[in-house]
Amino acid sequence: TQLLEQSPQFLSIQEGENLTVYCNSSSVFSSLQWYRQEPGEGPVLLVTVVTGGEVKKLKRLTFQFGDARKDSSLHITAAQTGDTGLYLCAGALTGSARQLTFGSGTQLTVLP
Amino acid sequence: EAGVTQFPSHSVIEKGQTVTLRCDPISGHDNLYWYRRVMGKEIKFLLHFVKESKQDESGMPNNRFLAERTGGTYSTLKVQPAELEDSGVYFCASSQVRIVSTEAFFGQGTRLTVV
Repeated sequence: TQLLEQSPQFLSIQEGENLTVYCNSSSVFSSLQWYRQEPGEGPVLLVTVVTGGEVKKLKRLTFQFGDARKDSSLHITAAQTGDTGLYLCAGALTGSARQLTFGSGTQLTVLP
Repeated sequence: EAGVTQFPSHSVIEKGQTVTLRCDPISGHDNLYWYRRVMGKEIKFLLHFVKESKQDESGMPNNRFLAERTGGTYSTLKVQPAELEDSGVYFCASSQVRIVSTEAFFGQGTRLTVV
């Protein structure tokens, strides 16, 4: 059983469209991070959210942490081909050491 | 500032052989983590060092895996003897204690193939 359920697993959209990726759990996280990974590289940190209900924006990317700190979403506005990649959510469980629990990832393909 | 670097980037070994992976964390980062992604699965935690001490090794799959971090700088992860199911991508990450203590920066990974 996966602790962090990420959906959708695959997403293929046209350039200019909007999309949302979800990360859900029944567990509470002290913080949650979103990473983007390119082939042959390691995950690159995009954002960290800590407070329940927190919303952070990074250009066209909007990240939200659920009020109960059990879920998160990543919304991309007007997707570009350069947004193509594997998006990963990862959280630190409350009370645990600093290890991260990862979701399985969303492979996003933005078509020209 | 140099990021987390891992060596080698790829390794192909035969079942029963030994392989040692190396990770150089970001300078000054006390926390060093090893993670692994096997085919079709999510990235999973292996262990966590704080300086030279093992803080948490609950994710290590079995005693064929040995991690060290002598002097609190770079770390090595040895697999001996390697089995087919050890194939995957091994990631190292490091972090420094900050307000948000779980921010971690990842290396590019070592792709291990056991044949």
